[in-house]
Amino acid sequence: GQQLNQSPQSMFIQEGEDVSMNCTSSSIFNTWLWYKQDPGEGPVLLIALYKAGELTSNGRLTAQFGITRKDSFLNISASIPSDVGIYFCAGQDLIQGAQKLVFGQGTRLTINP
Amino acid sequence: DAGVIQSPRHEVTEMGQEVTLRCKPISGHNSLFWYRQTMMRGLELLIYFNNNVPIDDSGMPEDRFSAKMPNASFSTLKIQPSEPRDSAVYFCASTHRRGSLGELFFGEGSRLTVL
Repeated sequence: GQQLNQSPQSMFIQEGEDVSMNCTSSSIFNTWLWYKQDPGEGPVLLIALYKAGELTSNGRLTAQFGITRKDSFLNISASIPSDVGIYFCAGQDLIQGAQKLVFGQGTRLTINP
Repeated sequence: DAGVIQSPRHEVTEMGQEVTLRCKPISGHNSLFWYRQTMMRGLELLIYFNNNVPIDDSGMPEDRFSAKMPNASFSTLKIQPSEPRDSAVYFCASTHRRGSLGELFFGEGSRLTVL
């Protein structure tokens, strides 16, 4: 089945640093999404990307849909304590199944104050 | 507006017992998803419904798992009999239109521990 490889698996950074994480796939996706999960809660959508090459920002977050449609990255600038959590990439293949999202394994972000 | 509501939040049970997890999707959403999250396997889609009809249950691990959606505002995921390897956090999610391009709204999850 489709798999997403997300890296890094974990990050330990200082407050104020920028963060970068990425996701690659063995197959093409029509949509890339980035979710964040706080402890004890469900994932929440941060950014959705619908076109190859698209670059989208949401506050301090920026994400890009790779030209090959097999990868995406998420950047967080000037990290703050509330950025702590697990970040998931997710891909959607509208041909395989309109609403099936495949999730990466997650990047756990820890911030030292 | 209320989000996706799941119950129970936590359940501890013994191997062999029946477990029923419940979900109330966001009002007006017509698609509902059940995911399972474990450290080893991450987030796995178990089954999803459109307009109360199961569309894809290929992620359901085995016959011990079953899911129903009797109406637009309620769904259940049942495990019978439960096994220790079923221990995980089970998430329900909903979305508001068919083929909606990925924006799922997740509940807070039901943490299941099978002893």
